[in-house]
Amino acid sequence: GAVVSQHPSWVICKSGTSVKIECRSLDFQATTMFWYRQFPKQSLMLMATSNEGSKATYEQGVEKDKFLINHASLTLSTLTVTSAHPEDSSFYICSARDVQGYQPQHFGDGTRLSIL
Amino acid sequence: GDSVTQMEGPVTLSEEAFLTINCTYTATGYPSLFWYVQYPGEGLQLLLKATKADDKGSNKGFEATYRKETTSFHLEKGSVQVSDSAVYFCALSNVSGSEKLVFGKGTKLTVNP
Repeated sequence: GAVVSQHPSWVICKSGTSVKIECRSLDFQATTMFWYRQFPKQSLMLMATSNEGSKATYEQGVEKDKFLINHASLTLSTLTVTSAHPEDSSFYICSARDVQGYQPQHFGDGTRLSIL
Repeated sequence: GDSVTQMEGPVTLSEEAFLTINCTYTATGYPSLFWYVQYPGEGLQLLLKATKADDKGSNKGFEATYRKETTSFHLEKGSVQVSDSAVYFCALSNVSGSEKLVFGKGTKLTVNP
C-alpha cells in the first residue's frame, strides 16, 4: 500500500521548453503533497507544499512563477517548470501524506530533468 | 530553526560488518524522527521511525533509538549486506511546525562482498 507514482521518470528537453511532472497517490488520498529538488550527491530541498484545492506554499527562494504547482484532486499534484533552462536540470521528487495519517510521507521515484 | 546533522560519508564496509550512521538533531518541541533510504535512481523509502523519546524504530535489521537527552537518532545494523548499499537520510518532522520534513545531508553506504 501507500504507493506514489511520479511521471515521467526521465525527461530531456530544449532550453525554453515548459515541462510538467505528475505526482499521483495510487491507493490513498492525499490532501498534502510536497515537491523536493535534489542536486547531485546532496540532500533534498523542499520547494513547496501543495494543498488540494488551494494555492501551494513555496519555500523561501523558490520562484513561484518558475515552478507552477497545481493540486487539483486528492490524488494528483503537478509541477510545471516553465521556460526551463540548464540550471533547472535536477532530480525532482514528490511525496504525499495520507489524509488519515500524520506521517510518514510516501515518496515517488523521482523525475530526472535534463535541459539542453 | 530545526536542523539535522548526519555523519559525512561515504561509508564503505565489508559484508557482515557492523554499521553505525550518526544523526543528531536540533528542534523545538517534540519532533518525530525518521530514517529514509534512497537506492540509485530512485525516490526515498521510509526505513524506520520513532515518534517519542526512548522509542526504538526497527526494520530489515536496522535499528535506531530516539535519545532526547543526546538529541540523537543513530542508525545501526549488526551485519550489513551488499543489498544495503544506498544513501541513508536522517530526517525530522516537528509536530508543532508545518509537518515538513527536514533532512540531513545523507550518508552514502557501499557494502563490498
